Amino acid sequence: GENVEQHPSTLSVQEGDSAVIKCTYSDSASNYFPWYKQELGKGPQLIIDIRSNVGEKKDQRIAVTLNKTAKHFSLHITETQPEDSAVYFCAASILTGGGNKLTFGTGTQLKVEL
Amino acid sequence: DGGITQSPKYLFRKEGQNVTLSCEQNLNHDAMYWYRQDPGQGLRLIYYSQIVNDFQKGDIAEGYSVSREKKESFPLTVTSAQKNPTAFYLCASSTLAGGPKNIQYFGAGTRLSVL
Repeated sequence: GENVEQHPSTLSVQEGDSAVIKCTYSDSASNYFPWYKQELGKGPQLIIDIRSNVGEKKDQRIAVTLNKTAKHFSLHITETQPEDSAVYFCAASILTGGGNKLTFGTGTQLKVEL
Repeated sequence: DGGITQSPKYLFRKEGQNVTLSCEQNLNHDAMYWYRQDPGQGLRLIYYSQIVNDFQKGDIAEGYSVSREKKESFPLTVTSAQKNPTAFYLCASSTLAGGPKNIQYFGAGTRLSVL
């Protein structure tokens, strides 16, 4: 089955700096890669996703890049703000006609310091 | 969150007791999922369902059971066979893959502890 590794497990940055979180996946058939943000005591919320026919996607301060050959993808947050502090999860799946079975990474605790 | 309601928010289980976690969605999604979250281990899939009266085991189904009698509801029972049930349980739903929006939306979770 799919295996997703995520690094680093914790990341501390100064407000205004950039943050980068990296993930690798094992199954070359995976074609959908979402990123979720989870605040304390809440469920994860999707912040951005990318499909395998695209190499990069950007949404304001957030961007995701995908390298299919190397089987890794990364989340980039620019101009970090205190409200960006949360746990971030990457995930991978193979989109079929039967739902969206995600395999998650182990999470990155991001702390944005003033 | 996002049309998915999980209850209760906190739940306590005694030894040998079965407990049921509720998950209801009003998003008209066909697929529903249950995940378990432990510190440092991310989210692991317990069960998922793509249609009423049908469901499949995920990666860690032992000690759990589910039912899908209605499209809106996907309750999870943690049985006495689950020896380490203390965790944060998350329910999610999505459309079936192939549609334009097959994002998984999550509920706010239920934290289960053993007395």
